[in-house]
Amino acid sequence: GEDVEQSLFLSVREGDSSVINCTYTDSSSTYLYWYKQEPGAGLQLLTYIFSNMDMKQDQRLTVLLNKKDKHLSLRIADTQTGDSAIYFCAERGPGGSYIPTFGRGTSLIVHP
Amino acid sequence: NAGVTQTPKFQVLKTGQSMTLQCAQDMNHNSMYWYRQDPGMGLRLIYYSASEGTTDKGEVPNGYNVSRLNKREFSLRLESAAPSQTSVYFCASSTTSNEGRTEAFFGQGTRLTVV
Repeated sequence: GEDVEQSLFLSVREGDSSVINCTYTDSSSTYLYWYKQEPGAGLQLLTYIFSNMDMKQDQRLTVLLNKKDKHLSLRIADTQTGDSAIYFCAERGPGGSYIPTFGRGTSLIVHP
Repeated sequence: NAGVTQTPKFQVLKTGQSMTLQCAQDMNHNSMYWYRQDPGMGLRLIYYSASEGTTDKGEVPNGYNVSRLNKREFSLRLESAAPSQTSVYFCASSTTSNEGRTEAFFGQGTRLTVV
C-alpha cells in the first residue's frame, strides 16, 4: 500500500458530508477504485472512475479525480451511521499490472 | 452465488505450528490473491496466482507458501507460524473487463493469532 496514500481516520456527525482523500502514483491507471470494508467483513467494490473523467456521481457518492495532482476523493453526502467502515482507495499494481493495489484505508466514524 | 469462501474464520496457533488457510471461488476467475491486513498497514499482498498452475510472490511472501490446486482453489500455508504472522488474512479473486476495469471480490477473512 505504499504507492497509494490515505489518511487513517475521519470522524463526522450523522447528516454531514464526508470527504475521504487519496493520492496515487500510477498516472497510467485507467481506472481508480473505492472499496468499502464493513466491520468483520472483506472488502467490496463501492465505486470506480474512468481516468478520462473528472467526476462521477452515484446517488450519495461523488468521486472526484484530479489527474494532474494524482488525487482522488470520495464524498458521501448525508452520512449515516451505516456508512461507518474502512474505505480503501485502489489502483492497478506496479507497472500497470492487473493486481489491485490498495491504500492503507481510512476509517470513517459516524457519530450521532 | 457463494463468491469467495475462506476457512477457517478464526484460528489460534502456537509458535512453530503449521496450518493451511483454504480459499475457494465459484466465479470462474483466473486471478486469485492472498492479502494480510494489519492495523495501520492496510492490505499487503502475500502471493497471487494469475491463472491455474502459476503463483508469484507479492510484497510480503516470507514465511508463507501457496498452492493453486485448480481454478477454484488457492490455499495459503504457514509452515512454522510466528507471532509476527498474527493478522487477518483475506483471499480474493478478480475479473478484468475488456476495457481494463478490474474488480476484486473478497472472502470474509481469517483472523489468525499466533501465541
